[in-house]
Amino acid sequence: EAQVTQNPRYLITVTGKKLTVTCSQNMNHEYMSWYRQDPGLGLRQIYYSMNVEVTDKGDVPEGYKVSRKEKRNFPLILESPSPNQTSLYFCASSLRGTGEYEQYFGPGTRLTVT
Amino acid sequence: AQSVTQLGSHVSVSEGALVLLRCNYSSSVPPYLFWYVQYPNQGLQLLLKYTSAATLVKGINGFEAEFKKSETSFHLTKPSAHMSDAAEYFCAVSAPSGGYQKVTFGTGTKLQVIP
Repeated sequence: EAQVTQNPRYLITVTGKKLTVTCSQNMNHEYMSWYRQDPGLGLRQIYYSMNVEVTDKGDVPEGYKVSRKEKRNFPLILESPSPNQTSLYFCASSLRGTGEYEQYFGPGTRLTVT
Repeated sequence: AQSVTQLGSHVSVSEGALVLLRCNYSSSVPPYLFWYVQYPNQGLQLLLKYTSAATLVKGINGFEAEFKKSETSFHLTKPSAHMSDAAEYFCAVSAPSGGYQKVTFGTGTKLQVIP
């Protein structure tokens, strides 16, 4: 089954404790992206990747890191989480980053930072 | 810079009534436009997309949207609402920005269907 998977689905952590949210897709998509969803703000892009070893900042990259060493995986790293990073996070992928292709979304990771 | 405006964060309709969710965009070049739906505790999934072919786009579950360049709109409609349509709907625009295709999402509209 074609899908985007994220782990964990739920995470509660404390300020400053490094964490990684994994994202994997099995569709051989070139483009992958991370979003955060907050009430009233919709989805805001954190980072994106056009292909392996090619990543760039989205609209809200502060406090986050990413890497794209393999085509299928695109982990999101929070080196020192803070309470303002409490949010619902989505990973997405599309065939290419040329705009006309729809994105496929993972189920989401709900992160709480206390 | 591109932007998307969804009018109405919450919309309520009676079962069987017309669904109309509004989306206006701004873009300096012809964009690609998308509607996604998010059911509770799930990720987003594509309803339909406009990629410069026919201006009236049909999607899944009986939804359709019409691209109106003169009005910079891409409103989503469905003739008859079902209870299963209760969800949050997001409009998105994709256009060139700084050498890549930037996707911008609207803030979403929650659709409530009243029996």
